[in-house]
Amino acid sequence: GQQLNQSPQSMFIQEGEDVSMNCTSSSIFNTWLWYKQDPGEGPVLLIALYKAGELTSNGRLTAQFGITRKDSFLNISASIPSDVGIYFCAGSYLLNYGGATNKLIFGTGTLLAVQP
Amino acid sequence: DAGITQSPRHKVTETGTPVTLRCHQTENHRYMYWYRQDPGHGLRLIHYSYGVKDTDKGEVSDGYSVSRSKTEDFLLTLESATSSQTSVYFCAISPGQFNEAFFGQGTRLTVV
Repeated sequence: GQQLNQSPQSMFIQEGEDVSMNCTSSSIFNTWLWYKQDPGEGPVLLIALYKAGELTSNGRLTAQFGITRKDSFLNISASIPSDVGIYFCAGSYLLNYGGATNKLIFGTGTLLAVQP
Repeated sequence: DAGITQSPRHKVTETGTPVTLRCHQTENHRYMYWYRQDPGHGLRLIHYSYGVKDTDKGEVSDGYSVSRSKTEDFLLTLESATSSQTSVYFCAISPGQFNEAFFGQGTRLTVV
């Protein structure tokens, strides 16, 4: 089946540092999504990417849809303590089945800790 | 925030008992999903719905059933709860097929 490899599994950084994480797969995706999850809460959508090569920013966050459609990365610039949490990538791929033609799978997450 | 409400937020139940979790949305989105989240496994799809009375299985559907009798409500039922179903359950909704899914706050279920 489809799998997403997300790395790194965890990061421990100082406030103000930039952060980079990525997701890769051997399969092609038609959408990439990046989520952040705080403890005890549901994942919150940060950025959605729909086209190969697309580069999208949301404040200090920047994400790119890889040109091969098999990967995506998320950068966080000038990290702050509230960036702490788990970041998930998710990829939507085409699957002709029943009434839906897409499936969404998630990476296993990157735990980010920011030291003030 | 997307209008998604999960209930209950926490539940402890005994092995072998039936359990129903409810997801209610106010966004009128066509697609609704149930995921479970476990350490080391991330989010895994249990069942999803692509319309009223239209549902399909996800990757970990064994032991679970769902129903959607109204656009706004999607129910997840554990017919006979087992300890392996101890998890955090998330409902999600999306306007399109598995794109831009928005999540509820989760239900923490403990089966003892």
